[in-house]
Amino acid sequence: QKEVEQDPGPLSVPEGAIVSLNCTYSNSAFQYFMWYRQYSRKGPELLMYTYSSGNKEDGRFTAQVDKSSKYISLFIRDSQPSDSATYLCASTPGSGNTGKLIFGQGTTLQVKP
Amino acid sequence: DAGVTQSPTHLIKTRGQHVTLRCSPISGHKSVSWYQQVLGQGPQFIFQYYEKEERGRGNFPDRFSARQFPNYSSELNVNALLLGDSALYLCASSATTGAMDTQYFGPGTRLTVL
Repeated sequence: QKEVEQDPGPLSVPEGAIVSLNCTYSNSAFQYFMWYRQYSRKGPELLMYTYSSGNKEDGRFTAQVDKSSKYISLFIRDSQPSDSATYLCASTPGSGNTGKLIFGQGTTLQVKP
Repeated sequence: DAGVTQSPTHLIKTRGQHVTLRCSPISGHKSVSWYQQVLGQGPQFIFQYYEKEERGRGNFPDRFSARQFPNYSSELNVNALLLGDSALYLCASSATTGAMDTQYFGPGTRLTVL
């Protein structure tokens, strides 16, 4: 079993839709959770960063972590064609860690005009 | 300010050859990590270096090695290339090795092994 699981999609939505992207993880030691966006043939760029459980909002993006169910979510409101990319969830343990990131497989999102 | 830079952008090698990939971190960052991203998969951790010392190693064979220089730039070396080594190799830099430190990724080096 992979430590971070993510449905690869692809996910296709019309412009303006609310998008829900999800991951599950298995390692109870994970404390830090990230969402990266990766455009084709580019490196990943950090979108959201959360610590432990709870919600974090940044503009049209909301990240949610439920440690009791080991579930990570990213919501995109009013989706735009420019949001079309691969979204990677990642996690890492807390103290004593080297900062090694464990990534999910990535979900490919297409937002159609 | 320049982001993480990597060279070369693309590389084509044949099986059995050796390859060296290079990375320059963001100015002021002392930690460099290397990841391998096979097509259709998420990045997999290979190494992390901080202040020229190896701080972490992923589940990769000894054919993979790396080092970090006094200016914090880094090289990833892969010997005896296999077809399965074809991937996007990503370098990420961060200020330190702390889990709370954001890792900023470069554009990657796309390696094709024929």
